[in-house]
Amino acid sequence: GAVVSQHPSRVICKSGTSVKIECRSLDFQATTMFWYRQFPKQSLMLMATSNEGSKATYEQGVEKDKFLINHASLTLSTLTVTSAHPEDSSFYICSASPGLVPHNEQFFGPGTRLTVL
Amino acid sequence: QKEVEQDPGPLSVPEGAIVSLNCTYSNSAFQYFMWYRQYSRKGPELLMYTYSSGNKEDGRFTAQVDKSSKYISLFIRDSQPSDSATYLCAMARGKLIFGQGTTLQVKP
Repeated sequence: GAVVSQHPSRVICKSGTSVKIECRSLDFQATTMFWYRQFPKQSLMLMATSNEGSKATYEQGVEKDKFLINHASLTLSTLTVTSAHPEDSSFYICSASPGLVPHNEQFFGPGTRLTVL
Repeated sequence: QKEVEQDPGPLSVPEGAIVSLNCTYSNSAFQYFMWYRQYSRKGPELLMYTYSSGNKEDGRFTAQVDKSSKYISLFIRDSQPSDSATYLCAMARGKLIFGQGTTLQVKP
Protein backbone atom coordinates (compact mmCIF):
# COMPACT_ATOMS: atom_id res chain seq x y z
CA GLY A 1 0.00 0.00 0.00
CA ALA A 2 0.85 3.72 0.22
CA VAL A 3 1.91 4.36 -3.34
CA VAL A 4 2.64 7.84 -4.63
CA SER A 5 3.08 8.50 -8.32
CA GLN A 6 4.54 11.45 -10.16
CA HIS A 7 4.12 12.50 -13.73
CA PRO A 8 6.10 13.11 -15.82
CA SER A 9 9.19 11.25 -14.67
CA ARG A 10 11.38 13.35 -16.89
CA VAL A 11 10.84 16.63 -18.72
CA ILE A 12 13.03 18.81 -20.87
CA CYS A 13 11.84 22.29 -21.68
CA LYS A 14 13.06 25.55 -23.12
CA SER A 15 13.93 28.49 -20.94
CA GLY A 16 10.93 30.70 -20.29
CA THR A 17 8.29 28.00 -20.55
CA SER A 18 6.19 26.62 -17.72
CA VAL A 19 6.17 23.02 -16.58
CA LYS A 20 3.54 21.23 -14.52
CA ILE A 21 4.35 18.20 -12.38
CA GLU A 22 1.61 16.02 -10.91
CA CYS A 23 1.76 14.09 -7.68
CA ARG A 24 -0.91 11.50 -6.85
CA SER A 25 -1.52 9.29 -3.87
CA LEU A 26 -2.91 6.13 -5.41
CA ASP A 27 -4.31 4.16 -2.51
CA PHE A 28 -4.80 6.62 0.33
CA GLN A 29 -6.05 10.10 0.94
CA ALA A 30 -3.27 12.57 1.50
CA THR A 31 -4.17 15.31 3.90
CA THR A 32 -0.78 16.85 3.43
CA MET A 33 1.57 16.82 0.48
CA PHE A 34 5.12 18.06 0.32
CA TRP A 35 7.34 19.21 -2.51
CA TYR A 36 11.10 18.78 -2.33
CA ARG A 37 13.96 19.68 -4.61
CA GLN A 38 17.18 17.71 -4.78
CA PHE A 39 20.32 18.84 -6.56
CA PRO A 40 22.97 16.27 -7.53
CA LYS A 41 24.73 14.76 -4.52
CA GLN A 42 22.75 16.96 -2.18
CA SER A 43 19.97 16.35 0.26
CA LEU A 44 16.27 16.86 -0.20
CA MET A 45 15.27 20.42 0.48
CA LEU A 46 11.66 21.09 1.38
CA MET A 47 10.11 23.69 -0.89
CA ALA A 48 6.55 23.81 0.35
CA THR A 49 3.86 22.05 2.30
CA SER A 50 0.30 21.91 1.08
CA ASN A 51 -2.92 20.85 2.70
CA GLU A 52 -5.95 20.00 0.62
CA GLY A 53 -8.10 23.02 -0.06
CA SER A 54 -5.77 25.61 1.38
CA LYS A 55 -2.82 27.66 0.22
CA ALA A 56 0.59 26.10 0.32
CA THR A 57 3.16 27.11 2.91
CA TYR A 58 6.49 27.90 1.30
CA GLU A 59 9.90 27.55 2.88
CA GLN A 60 12.09 30.58 3.23
CA GLY A 61 13.80 31.44 -0.04
CA VAL A 62 11.30 29.63 -2.26
CA GLU A 63 9.44 31.98 -4.60
CA LYS A 64 5.75 31.20 -4.40
CA ASP A 65 5.01 33.03 -7.65
CA LYS A 66 7.55 30.91 -9.46
CA PHE A 67 6.61 27.57 -7.95
CA LEU A 68 2.83 27.37 -8.00
CA ILE A 69 1.32 24.60 -5.92
CA ASN A 70 -2.26 23.42 -6.15
CA HIS A 71 -3.63 20.74 -3.83
CA ALA A 72 -7.09 20.47 -5.33
CA SER A 73 -8.08 17.08 -3.93
CA LEU A 74 -7.00 14.58 -1.32
CA THR A 75 -5.17 12.56 -3.94
CA LEU A 76 -3.65 15.16 -6.24
CA SER A 77 -1.18 18.01 -5.91
CA THR A 78 0.51 19.85 -8.75
CA LEU A 79 3.68 21.91 -8.89
CA THR A 80 4.03 24.36 -11.76
CA VAL A 81 7.44 25.84 -12.43
CA THR A 82 6.67 29.11 -14.19
CA SER A 83 9.07 30.77 -16.61
CA ALA A 84 11.63 28.06 -16.00
CA HIS A 85 15.33 28.87 -16.28
CA PRO A 86 18.38 26.58 -16.41
CA GLU A 87 19.01 27.09 -12.68
CA ASP A 88 15.62 25.47 -12.02
CA SER A 89 16.94 22.21 -13.45
CA SER A 90 16.73 19.71 -10.61
CA PHE A 91 15.07 16.56 -9.32
CA TYR A 92 11.66 17.40 -7.89
CA ILE A 93 10.13 14.91 -5.47
CA CYS A 94 6.74 14.98 -3.84
CA SER A 95 5.60 13.12 -0.78
CA ALA A 96 2.23 12.53 0.77
CA SER A 97 1.10 11.94 4.30
CA PRO A 98 -2.26 10.57 5.41
CA GLY A 99 -2.00 12.37 8.75
CA LEU A 100 -2.25 15.99 9.65
CA VAL A 101 1.04 15.95 11.54
CA PRO A 102 3.99 16.23 9.18
CA HIS A 103 6.18 13.81 11.06
CA ASN A 104 3.71 11.05 10.41
CA GLU A 105 5.08 8.82 7.78
CA GLN A 106 5.58 10.45 4.41
CA PHE A 107 5.43 8.35 1.28
CA PHE A 108 7.59 9.61 -1.53
CA GLY A 109 6.97 9.66 -5.22
CA PRO A 110 9.60 8.51 -7.72
CA GLY A 111 10.62 12.05 -8.60
CA THR A 112 10.61 14.20 -11.73
CA ARG A 113 13.83 15.22 -13.37
CA LEU A 114 13.50 18.67 -14.91
CA THR A 115 16.04 19.94 -17.40
CA VAL A 116 15.69 23.49 -18.64
CA LEU A 117 17.68 24.29 -21.75
CA GLN B 1 26.12 24.88 11.01
CA LYS B 2 23.66 22.48 9.43
CA GLU B 3 20.97 21.08 11.66
CA VAL B 4 21.75 17.56 10.47
CA GLU B 5 25.22 16.39 9.51
CA GLN B 6 25.88 13.26 7.52
CA ASP B 7 29.08 12.14 5.85
CA PRO B 8 28.34 11.85 2.12
CA GLY B 9 30.92 9.09 1.62
CA PRO B 10 31.13 7.21 -0.66
CA LEU B 11 31.41 4.15 1.52
CA SER B 12 32.52 0.94 -0.18
CA VAL B 13 32.34 -2.43 1.58
CA PRO B 14 32.56 -6.08 0.54
CA GLU B 15 29.45 -8.21 0.44
CA GLY B 16 28.60 -9.62 3.86
CA ALA B 17 30.16 -6.75 5.80
CA ILE B 18 28.43 -4.89 8.59
CA VAL B 19 27.74 -1.32 7.56
CA SER B 20 27.48 1.57 9.98
CA LEU B 21 25.89 4.83 8.85
CA ASN B 22 25.68 7.82 11.13
CA CYS B 23 24.18 11.27 11.55
CA THR B 24 24.61 13.96 14.13
CA TYR B 25 22.20 16.75 14.82
CA SER B 26 22.18 19.98 16.74
CA ASN B 27 18.53 20.64 17.55
CA SER B 28 17.33 18.85 20.66
CA ALA B 29 13.74 19.54 19.58
CA PHE B 30 13.88 16.69 17.10
CA GLN B 31 11.66 13.89 18.30
CA TYR B 32 11.33 11.50 15.39
CA PHE B 33 14.20 9.92 13.55
CA MET B 34 14.06 8.15 10.23
CA TRP B 35 16.30 6.43 7.75
CA TYR B 36 15.46 6.45 4.07
CA ARG B 37 17.05 4.55 1.22
CA GLN B 38 17.24 6.19 -2.18
CA TYR B 39 18.28 4.42 -5.32
CA SER B 40 19.70 6.46 -8.14
CA ARG B 41 17.10 8.73 -9.76
CA LYS B 42 14.31 7.40 -7.55
CA GLY B 43 12.36 8.77 -4.62
CA PRO B 44 13.37 7.86 -1.06
CA GLU B 45 11.75 4.89 0.66
CA LEU B 46 11.40 4.64 4.40
CA LEU B 47 13.54 1.99 6.07
CA MET B 48 13.30 2.69 9.76
CA TYR B 49 11.38 5.03 12.04
CA THR B 50 12.18 5.60 15.69
CA TYR B 51 10.97 7.91 18.39
CA SER B 52 12.94 7.32 21.53
CA SER B 53 16.54 6.63 22.40
CA GLY B 54 17.57 3.02 22.04
CA ASN B 55 17.66 0.39 19.35
CA LYS B 56 15.08 -0.79 16.87
CA GLU B 57 15.63 -3.83 14.72
CA ASP B 58 14.00 -4.88 11.47
CA GLY B 59 15.57 -7.83 9.70
CA ARG B 60 19.12 -6.94 8.75
CA PHE B 61 18.64 -3.32 9.75
CA THR B 62 19.10 -1.80 13.20
CA ALA B 63 18.46 1.85 13.98
CA GLN B 64 20.02 3.37 17.04
CA VAL B 65 19.23 6.72 18.62
CA ASP B 66 21.25 8.44 21.33
CA LYS B 67 19.45 11.65 22.19
CA SER B 68 21.96 12.61 24.87
CA SER B 69 24.73 12.68 22.26
CA LYS B 70 22.45 13.83 19.43
CA TYR B 71 23.64 10.92 17.35
CA ILE B 72 21.79 8.34 15.31
CA SER B 73 23.02 5.27 13.48
CA LEU B 74 21.84 2.68 11.02
CA PHE B 75 23.51 -0.70 10.96
CA ILE B 76 23.16 -3.11 8.07
CA ARG B 77 24.17 -6.70 8.73
CA ASP B 78 25.21 -9.14 6.02
CA SER B 79 25.24 -6.36 3.44
CA GLN B 80 24.22 -7.26 -0.11
CA PRO B 81 24.98 -5.63 -3.46
CA SER B 82 21.29 -4.71 -3.60
CA ASP B 83 21.88 -2.50 -0.56
CA SER B 84 23.98 -0.21 -2.74
CA ALA B 85 22.14 3.11 -2.59
CA THR B 86 22.18 6.46 -0.85
CA TYR B 87 21.00 6.39 2.74
CA LEU B 88 19.45 9.54 4.14
CA CYS B 89 18.78 10.24 7.75
CA ALA B 90 15.86 12.52 8.50
CA MET B 91 14.51 14.14 11.61
CA ALA B 92 11.19 15.71 12.33
CA ARG B 93 10.30 18.86 14.15
CA GLY B 94 7.08 19.61 12.37
CA LYS B 95 8.75 18.98 9.04
CA LEU B 96 11.42 16.61 7.87
CA ILE B 97 15.03 17.77 7.86
CA PHE B 98 17.25 15.50 5.82
CA GLY B 99 20.93 14.78 6.05
CA GLN B 100 22.99 14.98 2.90
CA GLY B 101 22.92 11.23 2.43
CA THR B 102 25.68 8.64 2.46
CA THR B 103 26.35 6.75 -0.74
CA LEU B 104 26.97 3.07 -0.05
CA GLN B 105 28.43 0.57 -2.48
CA VAL B 106 28.46 -3.10 -1.58
CA LYS B 107 30.84 -5.00 -3.80
CA PRO B 108 30.16 -8.67 -4.63
